[in-house]
Amino acid sequence: DIQMTQSPSSLSASVGDRVTITCQASQDISNYLNWYQQKPGKAPKLLIYDASNLETGVPSRFSGSGSGTDFTFTISSLQPEDIATYYCQQYDNLPLRLTFGGGTKVEIK
Amino acid sequence: EVQLVESGGGLVQPGRSLRLSCAASGFTFDDYAMHWVRQAPGKGLEWVSGISWNSGSIGYADSVKGRFTISRDNAKNSLYLQMNSLRAEDTALYYCAKDIGFGVGDATFDYWGQGTLVTVSS
Repeated sequence: DIQMTQSPSSLSASVGDRVTITCQASQDISNYLNWYQQKPGKAPKLLIYDASNLETGVPSRFSGSGSGTDFTFTISSLQPEDIATYYCQQYDNLPLRLTFGGGTKVEIK
Repeated sequence: EVQLVESGGGLVQPGRSLRLSCAASGFTFDDYAMHWVRQAPGKGLEWVSGISWNSGSIGYADSVKGRFTISRDNAKNSLYLQMNSLRAEDTALYYCAKDIGFGVGDATFDYWGQGTLVTVSS
């Protein structure tokens, strides 16, 4: 099975900072990589799909990039409402396999 | 407005069974694949199972294969998860999630329910 290594597991940054989270796949997954945001006590929310596509309604300060095995998620200017845990998720069709990264908890410094 | 409402969770003894349901509304249910994703207390997300729009394609995580069965009733706009031979490690909040496409291979979840808690303990 494909393993997803997400880092860091947590980070603390100031409002307005640029925040970067990485996800590394154990093998080539093309662009089959999504990013979700989960706020405490809430269900996850899709932010980025297929590595770099912004989901409708998601603020443009969120972005994603990468292909193959290395992926990056960026918040260009951290806002107080961005406090959450962020997960990457890969999918493989044949056979169907989905794996989430371990998550990155983002806090305000 | 898309709504996914899970039910059926509760406290169950190891080895027993439980059936989860997810009632969907606000979209054309039989146009989309659906999935179950779980989250153990204080832990990360784990995909459990997915089913295509017409039930023609189904997938399971290795951790539940042979014990859990996913199904759907498009006439009732409902998704189900039959969980047998439950173990302590199945304790989690179980989310129902809508796929962006009709096949399980799209595997991208654009709407989620609020979850139903399953606790497996004696």
